[in-house]
Amino acid sequence: DAGVIQSPRHEVTEMGQEVTLRCKPISGHNSLFWYRQTMMRGLELLIYFNNNVPIDDSGMPEDRFSAKMPNASFSTLKIQPSEPRDSAVYFCASSSGISGNTIYFGEGSWLTVV
Amino acid sequence: GENVEQHPSTLSVQEGDSAVIKCTYSDSASNYFPWYKQELGKRPQLIIDIRSNVGEKKDQRIAVTLNKTAKHFSLHITETQPEDSAVYFCAASGSYQLTFGKGTKLSVIP
Repeated sequence: DAGVIQSPRHEVTEMGQEVTLRCKPISGHNSLFWYRQTMMRGLELLIYFNNNVPIDDSGMPEDRFSAKMPNASFSTLKIQPSEPRDSAVYFCASSSGISGNTIYFGEGSWLTVV
Repeated sequence: GENVEQHPSTLSVQEGDSAVIKCTYSDSASNYFPWYKQELGKRPQLIIDIRSNVGEKKDQRIAVTLNKTAKHFSLHITETQPEDSAVYFCAASGSYQLTFGKGTKLSVIP
């Protein structure tokens, strides 16, 4: 299995621009997570999908952030408009169950907003 | 919600020595405790995990212990090697959500 696949790996964008991050979970996994990692705040869960349905989006920082999962093999995280404080590494992760199942991370998308 | 505290934030050890990282959690319903290793510029990767019905688990040089009464768990690395240098994260989960500690930067000095 190729693992969790994320794109782009690196993105530099100007403040105010729209950013779209993409994720393909491991085939057969029915849980998908978006995390944000920064030095100050560590690893934060932004949103969790189960069977393509958003279950918990309480970690989404504000209305500028949105996430979708149109099917079992694809998810997007969108930031519009982007701000410099959104600069971080965004990880997508997936697992095959709910409680007690290993979460596998993608390589991450390194976002810099200037 | 769950709150996970991790200590120390940085740890330096001589090659061959042991390293211990400790975590506490707040939600007594948590029953799954994984540890992730993150090398510089890489993704977090699972190195070992323990469930609430087990007190200790070992995998070669790595061991994890769990004390549910005290709500703390620890990672032990013996005979440390330079390639063990990384950031280690503990996490706790009682449902779908993994709550991570802030991480421990381990440096193994040759």
